[in-house]
Amino acid sequence: AQKITQTQPGMFVQEKEAVTLDCTYDTSDQSYGLFWYKQPSSGEMIFLIYQGSYDEQNATEGRYSLNFQKARKSANLVISASQLGDSAMYFCAMRVPYTGTASKLTFGTGTRLQVTL
Amino acid sequence: NAGVTQTPKFQVLKTGQSMTLQCAQDMNHNSMYWYRQDPGMGLRLIYYSASEGTTDKGEVPNGYNVSRLNKREFSLRLESAAPSQTSVYFCASGQGWSGYTFGSGTRLTVV
Repeated sequence: AQKITQTQPGMFVQEKEAVTLDCTYDTSDQSYGLFWYKQPSSGEMIFLIYQGSYDEQNATEGRYSLNFQKARKSANLVISASQLGDSAMYFCAMRVPYTGTASKLTFGTGTRLQVTL
Repeated sequence: NAGVTQTPKFQVLKTGQSMTLQCAQDMNHNSMYWYRQDPGMGLRLIYYSASEGTTDKGEVPNGYNVSRLNKREFSLRLESAAPSQTSVYFCASGQGWSGYTFGSGTRLTVV
């Protein structure tokens, strides 16, 4: 069975500092994708970044980067130069083949990030 | 704007009432999904549809039914609502290995 673990229920970071949100995963599939989503207080789910299991380079998207350590089965999100608008819930998710032609996105329980002045 | 549209945004039901949550996407995606989000539990898959005309159960399907009306629309029905179904419901669509696109969610309260 696939599982995503986020061990940090809540994190604080000062504005302009970098922060790392932890994510470990478990799957027996060789081909999978790892995602991070942001959920602000308004409730929508915003896609941030994606890493494929065969990608050798760590993914980056602006201030977001994904620290992918395949042997450790970890996919930590690094946010550089935090901004007040980064305060939100962050979810790590893994996409694996499911049945037929569908895939399945499994989510962790989330980390609530609070950016302070 | 292109994306996933969910209706309604809010709903209060009495125990035993029925309702249908509507979802439509205009991105020509084959796959569509219904998730529920509860505090401390992340998002859990209720049902999914890999393509038009097919549906299958996810992790928590009990108490729900779905219909994939066409490629665009995927509805979720609660036949007899229970307080345990109080949750935020998200519809999503996806294709290939891209990230899913989520609707804005439906906040459902069953009293």
